[in-house]
Amino acid sequence: TQLLEQSPQFLSIQEGENLTVYCNSSSVFSSLQWYRQEPGEGPVLLVTVVTGGEVKKLKRLTFQFGDARKDSSLHITAAQPGDTGLYLCAGPSGNQGGKLIFGQGTELSVKP
Amino acid sequence: ETGVTQSPTHLIKTRGQQVTLRCSSQSGHNTVSWYQQALGQGPQFIFQYYREEENGRGNFPPRFSGLQFPNYSSELNVNALELDDSALYLCASKGGPDTDTQYFGPGTRLTVL
Repeated sequence: TQLLEQSPQFLSIQEGENLTVYCNSSSVFSSLQWYRQEPGEGPVLLVTVVTGGEVKKLKRLTFQFGDARKDSSLHITAAQPGDTGLYLCAGPSGNQGGKLIFGQGTELSVKP
Repeated sequence: ETGVTQSPTHLIKTRGQQVTLRCSSQSGHNTVSWYQQALGQGPQFIFQYYREEENGRGNFPPRFSGLQFPNYSSELNVNALELDDSALYLCASKGGPDTDTQYFGPGTRLTVL
């Protein structure tokens, strides 16, 4: 069974701090995606990483895919209150087309 | 371009009742997936519909069923509601059954009392 585990589950920081969220699995994924979800809304896709070792940047967010394609990280530099939300990693099931497997999420709160 | 829409936004039902949730896919998207997201958890895949047929299913009992219509919109039906069915139900659409990138609607919050 493919599982994605995220850590930490909860993170409360002050504005301006840096943080890293981890997404780990014992299984290889062909790609991993990161989403951000705000209360009462659906997840919004931030990035897809496909190649082992790949690094993608989205303004203050840096996403990395592990060399073995079993893990990924999201690093936020100088966090702002607008970054508050639930961050989810997800990967396609290897044996069931169309199915996305999600981690349990990291709840980030950035206080001004 | 119209995004994914879902209705209703909130719903309260009692145990044993039946519920139908609706989803309109993003323009140009022919594949719809449904997910259940319990409080504090990541979404769990229920099933996917492509060309009006179920095209993949997660670990959900048969009382969870669905439909897709010729215009690619979709319904999720849940019979014999249980308290544990209380969750946010998300619909996602994409351009094809094997495409990984999908776009989520805002969800329907179902509460079962």
